[in-house]
Amino acid sequence: EAGVTQFPSHSVIEKGQTVTLRCDPISGHDNLYWYRRVMGKEIKFLLHFVKESKQDESGMPNNRFLAERTGGTYSTLKVQPAELEDSGVYFCASSQEPSLYEFFGPGTRLTVL
Amino acid sequence: DAKTTQPTSMDCAEGRAANLPCNHSTISGNEYVYWYRQIHSQGPQYIIHGLKNNETNEMASLIITEDRKSSTLILPHATLRDTAVYYCIVRRGFGNEKLTFGTGTRLTIIP
Repeated sequence: EAGVTQFPSHSVIEKGQTVTLRCDPISGHDNLYWYRRVMGKEIKFLLHFVKESKQDESGMPNNRFLAERTGGTYSTLKVQPAELEDSGVYFCASSQEPSLYEFFGPGTRLTVL
Repeated sequence: DAKTTQPTSMDCAEGRAANLPCNHSTISGNEYVYWYRQIHSQGPQYIIHGLKNNETNEMASLIITEDRKSSTLILPHATLRDTAVYYCIVRRGFGNEKLTFGTGTRLTIIP
């Protein structure tokens, strides 16, 4: 069974540009989460989808971040415009409903210059 | 969310048991103790969780004190591949609740 996949693995962009990260959860997993670790900080929750609905988006830092999950399958996280402090590793995780624990993807390393 | 306290770092000799402690003195009755780890450059990986009974799976054992204020994750025969940051997290089970990661314990397995 394929695990959680994320694309791209690395992205380097300039400040002010737009970047879109993609997450493909494990097939059949209704729950999808986004987390991130910015430089020197702890891993922080961003938001949680149940199917295509946003269950909890309390961790989204500001309105430059937009997450979507059309059709309840894969999800995208768009950062527009990107700022220097957005640099870090963005993780996606998925779980079944009801869930005991999540499976994490390998992450996307975002560097904003 | 209940807070957890873990040592910043630990070393363990290869082949020995690694015992990672965690304090969670404010844990609520409906909160579970979860352990995840992050091996360098990978995403976090679930290890084990428990409510009040000791638990064991193919990866590790979890020992929870009777008062549930602390727990210990045991890796019975540590290998070099177990070098990672280990996170002790308390959360409600079956609630899809977000994970609150702390700083964790950086475990280094020494050859």
